[in-house]
Order: sequence, then structure tokens, then C-alpha cells
Amino acid sequence: DTEVTQTPKHLVMGMTNKKSLKCEQHMGHRAMYWYKQKAKKPPELMFVYSYEKLSINESVPSRFSPECPNSSLLNLHLHALQPEDSALYLCASSQGDGGIYEQYFGPGTRLTVT
Amino acid sequence: AQKVTQAQTEISVVEKEDVTLDCVYETRDTTYYLFWYKQPPSGELVFLIRRNSFDEQNEISGRYSWNFQKSTSSFNFTITASQVVDSAVYFCALSEGKWTGTASKLTFGTGTRLQVTL
Repeated sequence: DTEVTQTPKHLVMGMTNKKSLKCEQHMGHRAMYWYKQKAKKPPELMFVYSYEKLSINESVPSRFSPECPNSSLLNLHLHALQPEDSALYLCASSQGDGGIYEQYFGPGTRLTVT
Repeated sequence: AQKVTQAQTEISVVEKEDVTLDCVYETRDTTYYLFWYKQPPSGELVFLIRRNSFDEQNEISGRYSWNFQKSTSSFNFTITASQVVDSAVYFCALSEGKWTGTASKLTFGTGTRLQVTL
């Protein structure tokens, strides 16, 4: 099973709201990723967790706050977002056990900030 | 610095035509990995293939085939007898081969939008 699930599928939020995106995988992968994708662009890496520790933060604004409660779950907490943050947010996971492996992506959360 | 170039922004073909998507990469690493992903209109990126820099064998999987040529730094993808369901954006991606314990970082190309019509 190579499934990564993400909830919600769609999210509309105001600039003063606080919301969270959730990602889950049960493949035993030890690396998990958040990407942001704008229309007609490739995905941009935001964060990487390796063995439940944040290992890469691609200079993402602090209004995005990632969390990895356990090896299967990844959250992205959103607060005081701007309209330009509207995008498709993709979660991915990979084996991350000492080699370079393919990443498996979830279906994404389409976020609209009003 | 790593770079992936997909010069074809959009390609339109009629069903049953063969189509090749080009991918040219740049890296200073001797060990690296190349990937192709498909992104249908639903949005999810679907993994298609991973190839490491030491394996230049071409690969065929059903109607899909990949041609890896280190001499030209290219990793091209061919769909034979295209179908409407192949309509999607296809991304080529590159990852350096050094494991740093921080998981792999993918450098994506800008993608090629393939439209297959009846």
C-alpha cells in the first residue's frame, strides 16, 4: 500500500483564522515532507521531517508551523495567512532510512485564503 | 547547483500517437537519482520511475519507456500509443545521492502539460 492521505481536501479560511492540515501514512516511512504548489508551477519544498525531527525548513514564514506527532502523522498549522498563501499543499513520504528513495504524495489540500 | 529543464511546456497529441517528453538535468554530483512524476487534474503526484546515475539501462513498463543518457544529461520519457487518460502534467525531478540524514530533496523541472485528445 503506497497511500498517503490528507485532510481536508479543500479549505477556505480568513486571514485571522487558525487551521491545520493533516497528513498520514502507514508505509513505515521515516521521512515526511510538506510542499506548496501554485497553479502551473512545480511543487516547492517547505519542510522535511526525518525520524520525527524537523531537518529542513526552506525559510518558510512563521505563519506556517509544522508538527510531527509520530512517525505516521504530519500536521501543518496555519495562522494569519495571506491571500498569496492560497495554493495546493502536498504532503509526501519516503523511506528515509539512509538512501535516496522516491517520495509518495498525498492528494493535497487546496487552500484558499480570503 | 542542481537544475532540471523541461523545455516543452505543453504538448498536444491525438490518441494512439507516440509522444516523448524531454528532460535535461545539471548536477556536479557523480551519484544522483532521477525521477518522473505524473500529476493528473485531480492534483496528486503519482510516482512513475526512479533511476540512479549508475544505471543507464533503458526501462519499459507497459506503454511507458524511459531513455537515460548520461552523455547528454537527459532522461526522456516516451508514451507509446497515448490514451486520453495520459493527459496530465509530467514532472522530471533530480535528487543528489549524498545521504545526509535529512531525507532527499527533489529538484523539479517546470513540468510538461500533455493533452491527449480523441
